[in-house]
Amino acid sequence: AQSVAQPEDQVNVAEGNPLTVKCTYSVSGNPYLFWYVQYPNRGLQFLLKYITGDNLVKGSYGFEAEFNKSQTSFHLKKPSALVSDSALYFCAVRDIRDSGTYKYIFGTGTRLKVLA
Amino acid sequence: DTGVSQNPRHKITKRGQNVTFRCDPISEHNRLYWYRQTLGQGPEFLTYFQNEAQLEKSRLLSDRFSAERPKGSFSTLEIQRTEQGDSAMYLCASSFRGQLNTEAFFGQGTRLTVV
Repeated sequence: AQSVAQPEDQVNVAEGNPLTVKCTYSVSGNPYLFWYVQYPNRGLQFLLKYITGDNLVKGSYGFEAEFNKSQTSFHLKKPSALVSDSALYFCAVRDIRDSGTYKYIFGTGTRLKVLA
Repeated sequence: DTGVSQNPRHKITKRGQNVTFRCDPISEHNRLYWYRQTLGQGPEFLTYFQNEAQLEKSRLLSDRFSAERPKGSFSTLEIQRTEQGDSAMYLCASSFRGQLNTEAFFGQGTRLTVV
């Protein structure tokens, strides 16, 4: 069964500092991995995805994520945090070997708070 | 607007009433998903369609829930005899069946409050 874990409910970081939001996954085959961001009372906005290739993926708003197969992780990073980055971040996975389903499995989310 | 559209944005209903939500996906997308998100949780998969065919349903989708996508375009999610536990944000998403690696695009959701 596919699953995603986001071990931190909340991450606090000072504006201008680098940020990391952690995600680990479990799938039976090779994963498709995604990061989404959610602002209050809004839907989810796609940030970036890993399918294959370079382990460092660049996405929207200066975010990037590093895929680590041996550690089954896909941590979200940004070199310099902005107050406007404060939001709820979700990691999601889809198992490409499970051709019978196309659903995305989401983690429980990590609230990022960037302090001015 | 070329995004996923959901209506209504908010719905307050009395326990026991029926409610229906609508989702209009991105026009060229043939996959459509419904998710439910409760406070402090990630989105939980409910069901998905490929064109008009409902291909998968979660065990979360009890008999009181029904989803349709009659012409392969917009979709409706109906909840009959609502219960307070149905209070949640209902999210719709769509994706394009062109490649396996495509991401899903989400609407802004319908927030249901059952009183």
